[in-house]
Amino acid sequence: QQQVKQSPQSLIVQKGGISIINCAYENTAFDYFPWYQQFPGKGPALLIAIRPDVSEKKEGRFTISFNKSAKQFSLHIMDSQPGDSATYFCAANPQGGSEKLVFGKGTKLTVNP
Amino acid sequence: EAGVAQSPRYKIIEKRQSVAFWCNPISGHATLYWYQQILGQGPKLLIQFQNNGVVDDSQLPKDRFSAERLKGVDSTLKIQPAKLEDSAVYLCASSLTGRTEAFFGQGTRLTVV
Repeated sequence: QQQVKQSPQSLIVQKGGISIINCAYENTAFDYFPWYQQFPGKGPALLIAIRPDVSEKKEGRFTISFNKSAKQFSLHIMDSQPGDSATYFCAANPQGGSEKLVFGKGTKLTVNP
Repeated sequence: EAGVAQSPRYKIIEKRQSVAFWCNPISGHATLYWYQQILGQGPKLLIQFQNNGVVDDSQLPKDRFSAERLKGVDSTLKIQPAKLEDSAVYLCASSLTGRTEAFFGQGTRLTVV
């Protein structure tokens, strides 16, 4: 019940295309769903986050879509750029912030020029 | 503002040896986390400190792993004796409180041979 399942494991997109990464969870106590971006040799950095009281949150080219009934959420990267090439992790926790975060296994995104 | 500092960046040891990692969190951050990130997986929380007290160490293999945060600032994570399966990146993160964003260090890559 503590798992967050993420797919795909890897993704290759052309510059200007849309990158979509999906996550699913089982624990209905989860109340906060952040996405992290990690470049090689660096620690993860918070990218965008959503709470289940909204179905979508947009920040620049990054959008989270949230489906509470299906217990799924996804990250959309519009107009993908080579600089977006990184590993993306979805995560969840019961109360917001950084405590008790459970991470997905990650998606390695490659954006070709 | 300086980020989370970790050392060393890389460490190679033989199995059954001991190793220690050091973390200096962002100044003023009361909450400190140690995560283990095995290749191809998301970070897994090992231990969370609030000031110098342990909040959560439920996933810390206490027979071989130990951590301390003296004076509520710097922290060390120790493994003794190391096993092959301990090969991973060990990430330290800090946040103002458990309810705010965590900032990650660059990690220490441990290889046990």
